[in-house]
Amino acid sequence: AQSVTQLDSHVSVSEGTPVLLRCNYSSSYSPSLFWYVQHPNKGLQLLLKYTSAATLVKGINGFEAEFKKSETSFHLTKPSAHMSDAAEYFCVVSGSFGNEKLTFGTGTRLTIIP
Amino acid sequence: DAGITQSPRHKVTETGTPVTLRCHQTENHRYMYWYRQDPGHGLRLIHYSYGVKDTDKGEVSDGYSVSRSKTEDFLLTLESATSSQTSVYFCAISGGQLDNVLTFGAGSRLTVL
Repeated sequence: AQSVTQLDSHVSVSEGTPVLLRCNYSSSYSPSLFWYVQHPNKGLQLLLKYTSAATLVKGINGFEAEFKKSETSFHLTKPSAHMSDAAEYFCVVSGSFGNEKLTFGTGTRLTIIP
Repeated sequence: DAGITQSPRHKVTETGTPVTLRCHQTENHRYMYWYRQDPGHGLRLIHYSYGVKDTDKGEVSDGYSVSRSKTEDFLLTLESATSSQTSVYFCAISGGQLDNVLTFGAGSRLTVL
């Protein structure tokens, strides 16, 4: 069994300040973890992916995430928020074989304050 | 959304009517998926396909059927739409079962009155 919890349903930050979106997971297997971003009226787009090669994963648009096994966390960060980062972000876990086993979090809506 | 298109993008229908959503890909990917997105639930898998005429159920398959007669097309059918099926539906594709990375379409917003 696997699950993923996004700890904040909504995060607001000022433009130019750091972004932190929190994700905790549970998995019976060695997991793969993902962050996807969804801009309004668009499909989801992959931001980054962790598959055990390195615990710090760099993604597109300056985002990165750190896999912490001891804390079962995979938080998404960005040093400086931009207006274009306003979107909904989904943490996803794949703990076993096959894409049909992906479990999506409920999403965190990121608002950027000018 | 390059390489994957969904139609229609918006549809309003009445309870009890049949509805078919179409997903078309130009990537020649083997795996295709239908998800629904609802507030507070994230994305939930409805059905998926691992090849022509090869499909299987996902987490929330009740009330839905699918068909895949060609590699590029994956159809989702609601035989008799209900208000609980009002949602945004996303199609996704992947290059392989171990690929783990999904490419999503832009979504189809369905409203059942």
